[in-house]
Amino acid sequence: GAGVSQSPSNKVTEKGKDVELRCDPISGHTALYWYRQSLGQGLEFLIYFQGNSAPDKSGLPSDRFSAERTGGSVSTLTIQRTQQEDSAVYLCASSKDNRGYEQYFGPGTRLTVT
Amino acid sequence: AQTVTQSQPEMSVQEAETVTLSCTYDTSENNYYLFWYKQPPSRQMILVIRQEAYKQQNATENRFSVNFQKAAKSFSLKISDSQLGDTAMYFCAFMGYSGGGADGLTFGKGTHLIIQP
Repeated sequence: GAGVSQSPSNKVTEKGKDVELRCDPISGHTALYWYRQSLGQGLEFLIYFQGNSAPDKSGLPSDRFSAERTGGSVSTLTIQRTQQEDSAVYLCASSKDNRGYEQYFGPGTRLTVT
Repeated sequence: AQTVTQSQPEMSVQEAETVTLSCTYDTSENNYYLFWYKQPPSRQMILVIRQEAYKQQNATENRFSVNFQKAAKSFSLKISDSQLGDTAMYFCAFMGYSGGGADGLTFGKGTHLIIQP
């Protein structure tokens, strides 16, 4: 079956612009995770959704970051007023249940802020 | 908070050799999962092997096996009969039971494994 898909694959944006990153999880997977991978910080967990609900948003790097999930499926990660330090690969993963012990990752979106 | 440490930034071995990647972690939880993920240049993170802390038996998946030492908080990955396709970044990761999945994975910095022909 289809795996986790993310779009766009690559995004170049100017500093100060807003960007939206999309994640389509595996059909039927209730849990969804966003991670950020950067040279300086390595892999960081950003946010978790169980269904459409995100119980804890404290992992988001700043208030310029927001995320939502609709219909228990597609999720979008929005970065407002992008900064150069936002440049990274943003990875999405989904899991069949909320324990997250078998997470399937998408190919990521490489964001470059110029 | 938990931490995961991978002390080998890069390793290189010849094809068909056996290689062991090291990982140590720190946590106050008693029940948790440990993982090894592979990330080839395509960026796709692939789950290699998973270990549940309450299981004493070391997990094995074909050529991949782990040496899990709970008391020492050590979780190494052994790759036998290494193949060119094993060339990738390997990440060790931790997830505690207490968060019910909501805490996400905590990753180490990774080891770049190069298999030489």
